Amino acid sequence: AQKVTQAQTEISVVEKEDVTLDCVYETRDTTYYLFWYKQPPSGELVFLIRRNSFDEQNEISGRYSWNFQKSTSSFNFTITASQVVDSAVYFCALSGTFTGANSKLTFGKGITLSVRP
Amino acid sequence: EPEVTQTPSHQVTQMGQEVILRCVPISNHLYFYWYRQILGQKVEFLVSFYNNEISEKSEIFDDQFSVERPDGSNFTLKIRSTKLEDSAMYFCASYPGLAGPDTQYFGPGTRLTVL
Repeated sequence: AQKVTQAQTEISVVEKEDVTLDCVYETRDTTYYLFWYKQPPSGELVFLIRRNSFDEQNEISGRYSWNFQKSTSSFNFTITASQVVDSAVYFCALSGTFTGANSKLTFGKGITLSVRP
Repeated sequence: EPEVTQTPSHQVTQMGQEVILRCVPISNHLYFYWYRQILGQKVEFLVSFYNNEISEKSEIFDDQFSVERPDGSNFTLKIRSTKLEDSAMYFCASYPGLAGPDTQYFGPGTRLTVL
């Protein structure tokens, strides 16, 4: 069975602070995929990143960066110089494949990030 | 850019009534999904659908739920006799298949309110 744990429930920071959102996962699959989604107050799910289990390179995209560590089963997300527009719920998710059985996304409970001006 | 659409955006119904939530996946996508999110909680998988049959379903997807792809464009989720606890946001998603994009494409959701 797959499981995603986001132990932090709510984080509040002041604008321009850096913030790290933690994600720990469990799976028996040898190949798997990890994701981060953003859910703004409007409710839609916005895809941010996918990481394959066989690719442990960290990734940076603008103010966003992701740290994937297989040894600790973690896939953490850092926002540098946070902005008010970053306020949202952030979900980490896991899937075993892209198609067919086991392609479902298993989500964590989400982290509510509030960025104050 | 192509997108998944869902109708209605908000549905209000009485307990015990049947509802049908509609989704139009992206054309030429082959894999379809329904997820739900109870207010303030995580997104939960309900069912996946491929080649006109269910590929996988969760424990939530019991006999009161059914899915159908009645024509080449729509993908529907039916709840036969709604309960108060069915109140949630329902997301449809689709995926093209092998060599596809990085993730499933999600629709904007249908908020179901059961009174």
